[in-house]
Amino acid sequence: GESVGLHLPTLSVQEGDNSIINCAYSNSASDYFIWYKQESGKGPQFIIDIRSNMDKRQGQRVTVLLNKTVKHLSLQIAATQPGDSAVYFCAERPSYNQGGKLIFGQGTELSVKP
Amino acid sequence: DTAVSQTPKYLVTQMGNDKSIKCEQNLGHDTMYWYKQDSKKFLKIMFSYNNKELIINETVPNRFSPKSPDKAHLNLHINSLELGDSAVYFCASSLTTRGTIYFGEGSWLTVV
Repeated sequence: GESVGLHLPTLSVQEGDNSIINCAYSNSASDYFIWYKQESGKGPQFIIDIRSNMDKRQGQRVTVLLNKTVKHLSLQIAATQPGDSAVYFCAERPSYNQGGKLIFGQGTELSVKP
Repeated sequence: DTAVSQTPKYLVTQMGNDKSIKCEQNLGHDTMYWYKQDSKKFLKIMFSYNNKELIINETVPNRFSPKSPDKAHLNLHINSLELGDSAVYFCASSLTTRGTIYFGEGSWLTVV
């Protein structure tokens, strides 16, 4: 079925280090990509998004990179903090846009060691 | 102020019962959604509504019936609950079908 895959289900980093979470997507028709952070017991929280006409977008401590050639998306978190510990999801939206539908990956659990 | 709010947060019920989850958004968005997250944390869309009109029904059993009385509300009614319905249900909304989707805090449904 449709899916957006992640290379690593878990990632453990030291506080202060940079984190990179990777995502492979399968639908070349997708033109919008988004990262969410989900803390335990909470809903997915928007982090950053990017459209297919861009390769890179930066936010506060986060950067999303999009490589359309190999259908790869990554989220970089600078100076990772304990509060960044959560499950991170990438998602894609096909350009044919079925009513705003997002297709989610399985999630990567980020653990930050103090 | 909660942007997308859903109630109840926790719901434990017996098989065969009928239950509802309510959702409201105060963002002025036109599009609302229900997503289901399973025990492996996989998130999948169930329904999408735009201006109170059903746009997506992602092959969800007809025991699940969404209702949108107005653009700010999208409720989910589930008939004849089954064990496999146990999951976290997230309501979400976006300005349009092309906008950023914002999620509620989830409703944890346990069917026993």
